[in-house]
Amino acid sequence: EIVMTQSPATLSVSPGERATLSCRASQSVSSNLAWYQQKPGQAPRLLIYGASTRDTGIPARFSGSGSGTEFTLTISSLQSEDFAVYYCQQYNDWPPLTFGGGTKVEIK
Amino acid sequence: QVQLQESGPGLVKPSQTLSLTCTVSGGSISSGGYYWSWIRQHPGKGLEWIGYIYNSGSTYYNPSLKSRVTISVDTSKNQFSLKLSSVTAADTAVYYCARVALVWYFDLWGRGTLVTVSS
Repeated sequence: EIVMTQSPATLSVSPGERATLSCRASQSVSSNLAWYQQKPGQAPRLLIYGASTRDTGIPARFSGSGSGTEFTLTISSLQSEDFAVYYCQQYNDWPPLTFGGGTKVEIK
Repeated sequence: QVQLQESGPGLVKPSQTLSLTCTVSGGSISSGGYYWSWIRQHPGKGLEWIGYIYNSGSTYYNPSLKSRVTISVDTSKNQFSLKLSSVTAADTAVYYCARVALVWYFDLWGRGTLVTVSS
């Protein structure tokens, strides 16, 4: 099973600042990585797939990068609606499909 | 616009079987092109993939749950279902149904339903 590790667990950022979230895989997942955003009481929403492709309707301030075992989600200028928990998920080697433990982006 | 909605009991007794249904609206499971999945989230925790099914009935399960899980599909009702047997308190979670792109990421989710296992 591929273990996904996200860091930091919590990221405190001021509105308008850049946020950089990390996701590491225990073995290479190529570019088969997705990012999701989850707000309290809501279902996760797909942001990024293929490590760097934004899903339909996702603002350009969200960008993904990386391949192999190291990945980054960058939010270039945090808006109030971006404060949420973010999860990465690998789909290179399954079953099982696996998620990271999440990074909570909170208001500084 | 495709939407998914989970339904089922919110309370299940230990050792019994948890049963949930996901109804797909705005699109047809039979049209193909997607798998249909269940995922759960323990209170305050991360996400755990349970398994998924194609409209043909072919399934894939998380090995950690495989012995207790059955996912089925009813294309006539545009629904797919989850059964999890021999539940314990550790199965208390929010259960989500989701649509799976054929490269295995989840592109559409239901709102989730909380299932509590308690006597």
